[in-house]
Amino acid sequence: AQSVTQLDSQVPVFEEAPVELRCNYSSSVSVYLFWYVQYPNQGLQLLLKYLSGSTLVESINGFEAEFNKSQTSFHLRKPSVHISDTAEYFCAAYGGATNKLIFGTGTLLAVQP
Amino acid sequence: EAGVTQFPSHSVIEKGQTVTLRCDPISGHDNLYWYRRVMGKEIKFLLHFVKESKQDESGMPNNRFLAERTGGTYSTLKVQPAELEDSGVYFCASSQFLGGNEQFFGPGTRLTVL
Repeated sequence: AQSVTQLDSQVPVFEEAPVELRCNYSSSVSVYLFWYVQYPNQGLQLLLKYLSGSTLVESINGFEAEFNKSQTSFHLRKPSVHISDTAEYFCAAYGGATNKLIFGTGTLLAVQP
Repeated sequence: EAGVTQFPSHSVIEKGQTVTLRCDPISGHDNLYWYRRVMGKEIKFLLHFVKESKQDESGMPNNRFLAERTGGTYSTLKVQPAELEDSGVYFCASSQFLGGNEQFFGPGTRLTVL
């Protein structure tokens, strides 16, 4: 079955510390992978995506994710977080022929001063 | 360019009542999707329209849910009669193309069934 797994439901971290949000996908999904972010009281926004090419993709606000085919992972990282990064982060995979996104359960990143 | 909009933002109804959610996609986007997140769980696909046609409704929970997209513009999702387990956040998304093309999401409608 197609699935995306985010093992960490919450990640507390202090401001300016590095963070990694983990995401693993089943090999049965396509390798179009996405990270979406939901800030408080807002909708989902695309943070970054991997479709092909370089396995390291970056966002405009300092996040990066690396596609690792052998480990079926697409972990999200940031070397130094800010209070404003507090949000829920969702990893998703494109379901191929079904044209739907398959989401993980989300990881709440709580940045503390 | 206006984003995906959804109405209402919140709805609280009693079990057995009917609720209709509305989604206005980005203009020109033929593909419209409905997703739902039940508290604490993953966001799950409900269905996909291409213009006014239902391309895939494999995620619809049961026949109490009815989605329409008249004229290929806005879409409605009606729940009739609502049950307690229908509570959650209903997201609408739209995209111009398929494949790895970005799906743009609306802010969601939070439905609470009492």
